[in-house]
Amino acid sequence: EAGVTQSPTHLIKTRGQQATLRCSPISGHTSVYWYQQALGLGLQFLLWYDEGEERNRGNFPPRFSGRQFPNYSSELNVNALELEDSALYLCASSLFVGGSYNEQFFGPGTRLTVL
Amino acid sequence: TQLLEQSPQFLSIQEGENLTVYCNSSSVFSSLQWYRQEPGEGPVLLVTVVTGGEVKKLKRLTFQFGDARKDSSLHITAAQPGDTGLYLCAESGVNDYKLSFGAGTTVTVRA
Repeated sequence: EAGVTQSPTHLIKTRGQQATLRCSPISGHTSVYWYQQALGLGLQFLLWYDEGEERNRGNFPPRFSGRQFPNYSSELNVNALELEDSALYLCASSLFVGGSYNEQFFGPGTRLTVL
Repeated sequence: TQLLEQSPQFLSIQEGENLTVYCNSSSVFSSLQWYRQEPGEGPVLLVTVVTGGEVKKLKRLTFQFGDARKDSSLHITAAQPGDTGLYLCAESGVNDYKLSFGAGTTVTVRA
């Protein structure tokens, strides 16, 4: 069974540009989560999508946005890129079964570098 | 959002030695996940613990969840170079399901 896939692997942009990152969840998973892992800051929650709807977002400015498509794949858009947006962006997927937790499975990440 | 504290921050040991890393919080965990992450890759889920006092084993890895569900530990027996990586604990928020991560323990096992 294929795991979570992300594209591109690496992305280099200049300050002020826009970046689009893509994620395909594990087959059958309806929830997609986005996390940012910046050097020295650890893994920070960005966004959660389930069944095409944004369910929750972390403490990030509105220039971080995304969407989930009918096939449950997702994209993350970052507008007006700033140098501090340079990070590894990780996507995770899970089955949404409710209860106290959903086990999340991560993709390999997209390394975004802003020059 | 509660703060997860992991210790130690770094750990370097020789192949064959044992090691333990810790994850603590001032609040009760609803559930706790342990992940291992290698450089440039995504975290890989190792285990989920839910019940206070729970012990789970995964080959040479033993995970314990404290009785009060405020702490957890990961013990590796006879560590191998392949165990090298960043070990992260994470809690799933109740109802919002986002993961809140600790800062991680970087483990290096020298051959």
